[in-house]
Amino acid sequence: AQTVTQSQPEMSVQEAETVTLSCTYDTSESDYYLFWYKQPPSRQMILVIRQEAYKQQNATENRFSVNFQKAAKSFSLKISDSQLGDAAMYFCAYLLGGGGSRLTFGEGTQLTVNP
Amino acid sequence: DGGITQSPKYLFRKEGQNVTLSCEQNLNHDAMYWYRQDPGQGLRLIYYSQIVNDFQKGDIAEGYSVSREKKESFPLTVTSAQKNPTAFYLCASSSPYGREPNTEAFFGQGTRLTVV
Repeated sequence: AQTVTQSQPEMSVQEAETVTLSCTYDTSESDYYLFWYKQPPSRQMILVIRQEAYKQQNATENRFSVNFQKAAKSFSLKISDSQLGDAAMYFCAYLLGGGGSRLTFGEGTQLTVNP
Repeated sequence: DGGITQSPKYLFRKEGQNVTLSCEQNLNHDAMYWYRQDPGQGLRLIYYSQIVNDFQKGDIAEGYSVSREKKESFPLTVTSAQKNPTAFYLCASSSPYGREPNTEAFFGQGTRLTVV
């Protein structure tokens, strides 16, 4: 079974600084998707960034980028120029390609942004 | 607008009663999921369904039941057998077969269930 692990329950960063959230996963498959979701206090889940496993290039979305290391099964999220609105719970998630799969989440990392 | 809708937003249940949480999507997604989230915790999978009339247990299915009679709908029933049902429940759906270029899971706004 696939597992997703986030080893940092809490992280903090100064406004305008950069922070990296860690995620590792375990799978024997080669075709899958990885995601980072943000959950602010409203509890609405918001997609931050998506990575297809077959793509070697790391995904980027404005201030958000990932370091995808397929062989190491590592998928970290880097937030640059942190803003107060980035404060939230961040979840790493895994979805097997091709259907028939559960969407598996890590335990989450609570990010605090200090002014 | 396409999306996924959960109702109600807040739900109160007396001990010993069954209660059903609604989840509807108009995104034409085959896959749907139910998660439970406790305060300060991650998302734990209750049930998921990849196709109409079929569903699989997740990690914490005991005390819960689901049905998938229509592609658009995936209701969750919290039965009296669930010993600690007070939690936040999230429903999600994802692109057909997870092969779309923009595959992602879309989430409802959640239902906060409280046992009184």
